[in-house]
Amino acid sequence: ETGVTQTPRHLVMGMTNKKSLKCEQHLGHNAMYWYKQSAKKPLELMFVYNFKEQTENNSVPSRFSPECPNSSHLFLHLHTLQPEDSALYLCASSQSVLGELFFGEGSRLTVL
Amino acid sequence: AQSVTQLDSQVPVFEEAPVELRCNYSSSVSVYLFWYVQYPNQGLQLLLKYLSGSTLVESINGFEAEFNKSQTSFHLRKPSVHISDTAEYFCAVSDINFGNEKLTFGTGTRLTIIP
Repeated sequence: ETGVTQTPRHLVMGMTNKKSLKCEQHLGHNAMYWYKQSAKKPLELMFVYNFKEQTENNSVPSRFSPECPNSSHLFLHLHTLQPEDSALYLCASSQSVLGELFFGEGSRLTVL
Repeated sequence: AQSVTQLDSQVPVFEEAPVELRCNYSSSVSVYLFWYVQYPNQGLQLLLKYLSGSTLVESINGFEAEFNKSQTSFHLRKPSVHISDTAEYFCAVSDINFGNEKLTFGTGTRLTIIP
């Protein structure tokens, strides 16, 4: 596999469920990101990890919990979400925080 | 703080016609500028970028963008579009000191090519 892979591609969950989104990059990059893409809105940067350390958290609600066990893997743990959290969640990586972003295809989340 | 404005949410264009997608930004610091493209059911891909040097930058598939500092613009142009250019295009700006940690995207312009 090459590039940035996200699983699952589609997820439907109730407001009381707990689920996780997974991202894996095979590019040898040191920085990884979670973005939220909602219709008619700009991409929202949620979290940045640089060399496994979280360097940015853009006031994201605590019901979203990131985890970066190593430079190749990034998770987004979800619990007690709201319907307005339904969106496309994009993972990206870059060689450094000053480098070009490489995006995965996204995980389409629907909260019922 | 930075902001990016893409005035056109949708742009329909006939095949082989020229197109311009507009992007204006505001920032109190020096910036890098980017255009990303998102094809249907895919993630975003970098199309072209301005970091320094020549204000006119080009992509491998015929797009070009010109950095105009006085007008704070970075409009994307192509002289002749193809059906395969159908996609959503996002303009983005980053603080040169913080890079992707302070990367701000516009709301996107959906380019539809009419056969």
